[in-house]
Amino acid sequence: GEDVEQSLFLSVREGDSSVINCTYTDSSSTYLYWYKQEPGAGLQLLTYIFSNMDMKQDQRLTVLLNKKDKHLSLRIADTQTGDSAIYFCAERDSSASKIIFGSGTRLSIRP
Amino acid sequence: EAGVAQSPRYKIIEKRQSVAFWCNPISGHATLYWYQQILGQGPKLLIQFQNNGVVDDSQLPKDRFSAERLKGVDSTLKIQPAKLEDSAVYLCASSSINRGNTEAFFGQGTRLTVV
Repeated sequence: GEDVEQSLFLSVREGDSSVINCTYTDSSSTYLYWYKQEPGAGLQLLTYIFSNMDMKQDQRLTVLLNKKDKHLSLRIADTQTGDSAIYFCAERDSSASKIIFGSGTRLSIRP
Repeated sequence: EAGVAQSPRYKIIEKRQSVAFWCNPISGHATLYWYQQILGQGPKLLIQFQNNGVVDDSQLPKDRFSAERLKGVDSTLKIQPAKLEDSAVYLCASSSINRGNTEAFFGQGTRLTVV
């Protein structure tokens, strides 16, 4: 069945780049997403990439997609304290249009 | 443009009681989703509506959970009777069919504690 996997934690120094990785199993995924969740808040859509693309850049965010390996990554340049949150990778399958989430990666920033 | 509205924000109930959550999607969004997010996990889809019809309810525990979207706009999710393991955040989201349901926008969620 469909599955999305992420590492649980990532710690980076303020000003460095953060790279959050994700793998998925559904080869028919049409869109892949990155959502951000801050404490006590809902999910904020950060960015998404269509499955026929391999890269998308949006200001400090760069998404890389390796469709062959079913690997997705989110790079945050110049990481700031405000980037502390849980980041969820998600995929949408082509048939049902439902979105399936990973367990999230908690990003912490150290001074 | 107003976002997805949910209420209440917090609810504490005893096990075996019933509870209902309300969601108002973004205006014009025909697709509405209810997700359950247990602490430390990613959101899990409970039910998806398109207008007032159910698209997917395969992971909804139908013996105790029910949801409706009678007029194709607002939706309610009910749990009756609640169990301890229902403690979670219940997230509502909506998306636009006209945009291919590409982007789903989430509300703040309702945090349910069952004691």
